[in-house]
Formats: sequence, structure tokens, C-alpha cells
Amino acid sequence: DARVTQTPRDKVTEMGQEVTMRCQPILGHNTVFWYRQTMMQGLELLAYFRNRAPLDDSGMPKDRFSAEMPDATLATLKIQPSEPRDSAVYFCASGLADRGEAFFGQGTRLTVV
Amino acid sequence: QKEVEQNSGPLSVPEGAIASLNCTYSDRGSQSFFWYRQYSGKSPELIMSIYSNGDKEDGRFTAQLNKASQYVSLLIRDSQPSDSATYLCAVGAAGNKLTFGGGTRVLVKP
Repeated sequence: DARVTQTPRDKVTEMGQEVTMRCQPILGHNTVFWYRQTMMQGLELLAYFRNRAPLDDSGMPKDRFSAEMPDATLATLKIQPSEPRDSAVYFCASGLADRGEAFFGQGTRLTVV
Repeated sequence: QKEVEQNSGPLSVPEGAIASLNCTYSDRGSQSFFWYRQYSGKSPELIMSIYSNGDKEDGRFTAQLNKASQYVSLLIRDSQPSDSATYLCAVGAAGNKLTFGGGTRVLVKP
């Protein structure tokens, strides 16, 4: 059963700490997305990659967020330093570029206190 | 103006009736259109994809696309309480950028 895997599922951290979220896309998928979901803003696109190359990261606060794909099986999203306003559910999704669709992981619920 | 707009609802539908959800988008160059279902506390789940004008049916779901009007809709026939969820419209632009609407909450009442 192919699925996107995200770790950790839940993270509580103190303001100012570094947070790293990891994602294993579905094998063979060449597009990876990072989204953030809050009640107020809904699903916001933070960044996305095709064939491991970043295509658009305009949705991310550049001073504190970074997204990378060290290899085809791993995508990471880092926040340093974290702030309470970063509290949200972060989703990773993957898909095939010629289809345009995205399949979501279970998300990481981040709480910054 | 948001790139993808949906009525937030809630859309209250009697069990067995048809639920009709609407979505408009601003980018005329959009190429792919999707409907996702999201239960509370869960991740979005892809339920329909549509790429060309017209209707596409899959079980109790029908997606309708009108590119000239920049409009995509979802019909849920014979609505069941298990259909109660938030339905998200997503639009894919050139370069595979996938943008979501705010979602429509649907409540199916027995």
C-alpha cells in the first residue's frame, strides 16, 4: 500500500528551538509538496519540488524556514528558530508531474509554546 | 481575490439528497482540477480529478468543469452521513503548482 510517510506525527517544542519535519514520498513520484494548514488560513503551499529541484518556495518565510530534498526518498522542512505562530499541521504530499495530483501524508502537528 | 474560492458552508444536506459544491479559480492557464475530502483531524484524500471540460462520474461523485467560466463543481448523489466532511477544491497551474481553496464543510443529516 503506497503512501506518503511523515515524521514525527506530533511535535511540541519551545519557542526558539529548531524543528525538523521529514517526509518519504511515494516511490516513483517526482513532485513533492509541503503545505501548512491552520483554521484561519486553510491549506497554504509552502514549497514544492520536481525531480528534487525546488520549483517554488515563495510561500515560506525565508528567514526561518528551509526545505530540501537530499535524495528522492527524503524531503525535509526545517524551522529555525520556531515561533508560536508556526503552530499548525504541516503536510507533505507527492505526485506525478504529468498528472498534477498530490497524495497526502498524515501530517505533522506542530505546537510551539 | 483568492486564487481558488469556495463557499465555506456549512452545506446541510438531508440523507439521500444531492450535495452540490462549487469552486471558482482565477488563473486561466490552470490545467488540472481536483476535489479532496478531509475528515476532521485527518489528511486530505483525493476523490476526483478532472482535466477537460464536461462531466466526469465516479460512483456517487460527479465533477463538472467549465474552463471558460473558470468554474468547477462536485455533485454527491445519495448523500450519506459518512460524506460529512470538508471538501477542498484544488487547481493545478503550469509547473504543477497546486493551490487549494478554503474548503466547504458538508453536513449530511440522517
